Amino acid sequence: GAVVSQHPSWVICKSGTSVKIECRSLDFQATTMFWYRQFPKQSLMLMATSNEGSKATYEQGVEKDKFLINHASLTLSTLTVTSAHPEDSSFYICSARVPGSTDTQYFGPGTRLTVL
Amino acid sequence: QKEVEQDPGPLSVPEGAIVSLNCTYSNSAFQYFMWYRQYSRKGPELLMYTYSSGNKEDGRFTAQVDKSSKYISLFIRDSQPSDSATYLCAGSMDSNYQLIWGAGTKLIIKP
Repeated sequence: GAVVSQHPSWVICKSGTSVKIECRSLDFQATTMFWYRQFPKQSLMLMATSNEGSKATYEQGVEKDKFLINHASLTLSTLTVTSAHPEDSSFYICSARVPGSTDTQYFGPGTRLTVL
Repeated sequence: QKEVEQDPGPLSVPEGAIVSLNCTYSNSAFQYFMWYRQYSRKGPELLMYTYSSGNKEDGRFTAQVDKSSKYISLFIRDSQPSDSATYLCAGSMDSNYQLIWGAGTKLIIKP
């Protein structure tokens, strides 16, 4: 149990286009999901906390208009990178919190975004 | 069977003890292995990054990979209460960083 999937696993897009990344909890309902960004060999940087049915909470320095997060159901959260630029190229990872647990998160495999 | 198995704990040890955290994995194609530490309500912090088999040491931390048995370990020497956190292992087949995660082990160091 407790599997989190992400789609796509790798996406290449042109500068100026928008890209949507999906995060799904496959066998449990996740009221809270998290979106992280990671550069090679570096720690994950928390971008935002996504709560089902409400607006996401963004970390300081993360542009909410650029990184749109939607958590419309208990099993799906989406991150849309709008008007992507080469500096947005990174590895994006989501995680989902197990209901009733304050600490346990299950991570998705990540999505590699390359903006040309 | 999950690709990366990790006992969720909690693992409780006294301050100063040597801590051994372990994961097993099933995908023999994994080449890269990582250990992350995550404090409550924070993002995971990369502790150790290793390629293929062998040991890697960094201060009080030692990461060990045994590809023959598909077993990865993280040892913490002279454990401190500040080491109390959740430790996650992850494996990857290539440098594209498609990470397969363990569930994380909650570690509690008692003063």
